[in-house]
Amino acid sequence: KAGVTQTPRYLIKTRGQQVTLSCSPISGHRSVSWYQQTPGQGLQFLFEYFSETQRNKGNFPGRFSGRQFSNSRSEMNVSTLELGDSALYLCASSPSPGRSSYEQYFGPGTRLTVT
Amino acid sequence: AQSVTQLGSHVSVSEGALVLLRCNYSSSVPPYLFWYVQYPNQGLQLLLKYTTGATLVKGINGFEAEFKKSETSFHLTKPSAHMSDAAEYFCAVSEKWDYKLSFGAGTTVTVRA
Repeated sequence: KAGVTQTPRYLIKTRGQQVTLSCSPISGHRSVSWYQQTPGQGLQFLFEYFSETQRNKGNFPGRFSGRQFSNSRSEMNVSTLELGDSALYLCASSPSPGRSSYEQYFGPGTRLTVT
Repeated sequence: AQSVTQLGSHVSVSEGALVLLRCNYSSSVPPYLFWYVQYPNQGLQLLLKYTTGATLVKGINGFEAEFKKSETSFHLTKPSAHMSDAAEYFCAVSEKWDYKLSFGAGTTVTVRA
């Protein structure tokens, strides 16, 4: 099976702009989670989607949003970018509950740089 | 809320020596526990996990970890380090039936020839 794919891999944006990142989960996986990784804050949970519904959300401002489509693909959006949003954004997918013991498989990430 | 503490942000070992990475968690009930590895410019790769059952868990690349409830620990070991083990390692926990992972700060492993 193909792994989790994320596009684009690298992105440079200017303060105040918005950005959309895309994630395609492993085939058959229905849960998609997003994480932000920075040198200062480490790995932090953003949100998790299952069957097009957000089930859990981390402690991030409303500028961070996401959605999931019927084919389980997910996007996250960051509006009004700030310099502090520069980070590696990681997407992870998991099989359906009861089949996985809740393990998550990560994509390679999207490196976002805000200038 | 879950929290994870990884003792030591950097560990240096000689090739062939034991690798020991420490992880402690805070939780009122035993959570699900995971170790991930991250190579430069890559995502996270799952090394092993503990959910229920046997407390000694074997993972990929010769790594294993032992869940000790009394010590709220989940330390990662590998008997003999290889140069390819140089990477950053993250311990993570989630509450049962939850997909939200809480990560430790990470431990960078360097392997000396």
